[in-house]
Amino acid sequence: QVQLQESGPGLVKPSETLSLTCNVSGGSVSSDSYYWSWIRQPPGRGLEWIGYIYYTGSTNYNPSLKSRVTISIDTSKNQFSLKLSSVTAADTAVYYCARQLAAAAHFDYWGQGTLVTVSS
Amino acid sequence: QSVLTQPPSASGTPGQRVTISCSGSSSNIGSNYVYWYQQLPGTAPKLLIYRNNQRPSGVPDRFSGSKSGTSASLAISGLRSEDEADYYCAAWDDSLSGPVVFGGGTKLTVL
Repeated sequence: QVQLQESGPGLVKPSETLSLTCNVSGGSVSSDSYYWSWIRQPPGRGLEWIGYIYYTGSTNYNPSLKSRVTISIDTSKNQFSLKLSSVTAADTAVYYCARQLAAAAHFDYWGQGTLVTVSS
Repeated sequence: QSVLTQPPSASGTPGQRVTISCSGSSSNIGSNYVYWYQQLPGTAPKLLIYRNNQRPSGVPDRFSGSKSGTSASLAISGLRSEDEADYYCAAWDDSLSGPVVFGGGTKLTVL
């Protein structure tokens, strides 16, 4: 059974960089069948796809966030990470990591999500 | 403003059949598979329907999906109280909006 677990600070100051890590167990981030994704959900609102990374290091980001997002992967630790720079209150959300079937909007395993609040 | 359009709310009584629509365009629903996710209160989304009409193992056959042109629908028959949740459609998008787009979500209330 694949399990994903997000970790990182729950509070980030405006203009700073949000950093989260997703630890994967029961499966390998080096699989060539999957992308590893980040999705967020502002309080009381819908889902927003942030971006994904492939085991080769290839990435694809939401055009609306592209200038501020970096997703990286560490195959030796079986984890992948998200950095979102210059955050504002609008970036307050529950952040989920998920396993995504390559080239599809097919997210079959999700982390439990972690709330990140942007506030001074 | 979501790329895929869903009604914000839907409702039904126990045992009833309800449908939730998802409208898109030629670059997403019109040319790619549609996926549906169920999000129970306080939990992560769960894959409910994949490739337009396929159910993952463990999803009851009360849930079904369909697609026609640039629109898709999720149908829930024999509505139960535990079906009260938010439902999201998603698709791959070949335009500059993508590559992954979600609907805004539909809150289903079981009366």
